[in-house]
Amino acid sequence: DAKTTQPNSMESNEEEPVHLPCNHSTISGTDYIHWYRQLPSQGPEYVIHGLTSNVNNRMASLAIAEDRKSSTLILHRATLRDAAVYYCIRLGAGGTSYGKLTFGQGTILTVHP
Amino acid sequence: DAGVIQSPRHEVTEMGQEVTLRCKPISGHNSLFWYRQTMMRGLELLIYFNNNVPIDDSGMPEDRFSAKMPNASFSTLKIQPSEPRDSAVYFCASSPRQGVSGNTIYFGEGSWLTVV
Repeated sequence: DAKTTQPNSMESNEEEPVHLPCNHSTISGTDYIHWYRQLPSQGPEYVIHGLTSNVNNRMASLAIAEDRKSSTLILHRATLRDAAVYYCIRLGAGGTSYGKLTFGQGTILTVHP
Repeated sequence: DAGVIQSPRHEVTEMGQEVTLRCKPISGHNSLFWYRQTMMRGLELLIYFNNNVPIDDSGMPEDRFSAKMPNASFSTLKIQPSEPRDSAVYFCASSPRQGVSGNTIYFGEGSWLTVV
């Protein structure tokens, strides 16, 4: 049970921004929100994570709703290399869930030239 | 820097044979994970270790699967005997320390197993 909900697929054009939504309405106060992506024939790759505040790094931005029940991964300018499956994951802070990523089905992002 | 190293990258074996997948985590990482990915079930956590000790093996499908971590720089996942339904991509991953939810987990490139 991944406990997050994402659209099955999204499409974008190259060099346009992409907003990938994720719902996590049952998130607890100590759960982090992680995003990973998996390019074809590769292992998952860390993208970004956050707890409450919006976060930026060289790959993407993460916007977290004030009630933390949803978040959005933002790719500012999509490239063909961003075509991948994007996973939104809640990562709990207690017990044996430490560091234990539970992957859902993710969102398949297609980028058109 | 070397990432998580897995071997073999690809293996084709006959049903009933023993399969051993190997993993070298990133140096200094305390936690190690084995995942399996299939089209039907997606990415599933099989087992994870912290400081070489298995912490949660609830995802191991059955007794035919076993995993060991004899030291901080090496782990194996063994399937004996293998069956066609074990065909999947097996990923090893590691992370710097346990118990920090903000930690990043680093994945290897996977071992692609086909059991015929």
